[in-house]
Amino acid sequence: NAGVTQTPKFQVLKTGQSMTLQCAQDMNHNSMYWYRQDPGMGLRLIYYSASEGTTDKGEVPNGYNVSRLNKREFSLRLESAAPSQTSVYFCASRRGEQPQHFGDGTRLSIL
Amino acid sequence: GQQLNQSPQSMFIQEGEDVSMNCTSSSIFNTWLWYKQDPGEGPVLLIALYKAGELTSNGRLTAQFGITRKDSFLNISASIPSDVGIYFCAARRSGGSNYKLTFGKGTLLTVNP
Repeated sequence: NAGVTQTPKFQVLKTGQSMTLQCAQDMNHNSMYWYRQDPGMGLRLIYYSASEGTTDKGEVPNGYNVSRLNKREFSLRLESAAPSQTSVYFCASRRGEQPQHFGDGTRLSIL
Repeated sequence: GQQLNQSPQSMFIQEGEDVSMNCTSSSIFNTWLWYKQDPGEGPVLLIALYKAGELTSNGRLTAQFGITRKDSFLNISASIPSDVGIYFCAARRSGGSNYKLTFGKGTLLTVNP
């Protein structure tokens, strides 16, 4: 999935710890998105940013915050991690009406 | 909220067989997308559909945007082992909420060589 880079690829946290997931795209896309993927649930939208300087809640925003640092970067922060936030997190980006492009994901386990 | 009902949830087929999966909704959408996800990777776009009734092919894959704008199907012909993965449908409305995609829960495809 060239173009959308997520770091880290894997992370293990203890309950209550904080963590920022990083996402960067080099395709000059305006919109960026954070999803979580859980078994049998498909992809659920956490937050999105339609353009630089704006962010909006998605379907499952509780427990998360985001920052659209600039046009390239969109980070997702867990202030106090909970076991229910164990998941695979995907960042995506899009230009105009084009389909979204996804990164390879961050696999997060919270003990 | 908007939901996409994707079926079947899983399929186990022999190499060379054809595969069909579909997505339905009670809501109208203006764009339908089909993604494939390989293990350990993010979803990759296979086919995008922008017009009701549109039938589009990408190699052995064919997808259609339903006339009612409430459904779409994906067919894979002559399956091969590398077709293994999870296939997701996704759909988007136009207008104020057009930044958001709604996803189906996926179809897990296993191909037996």
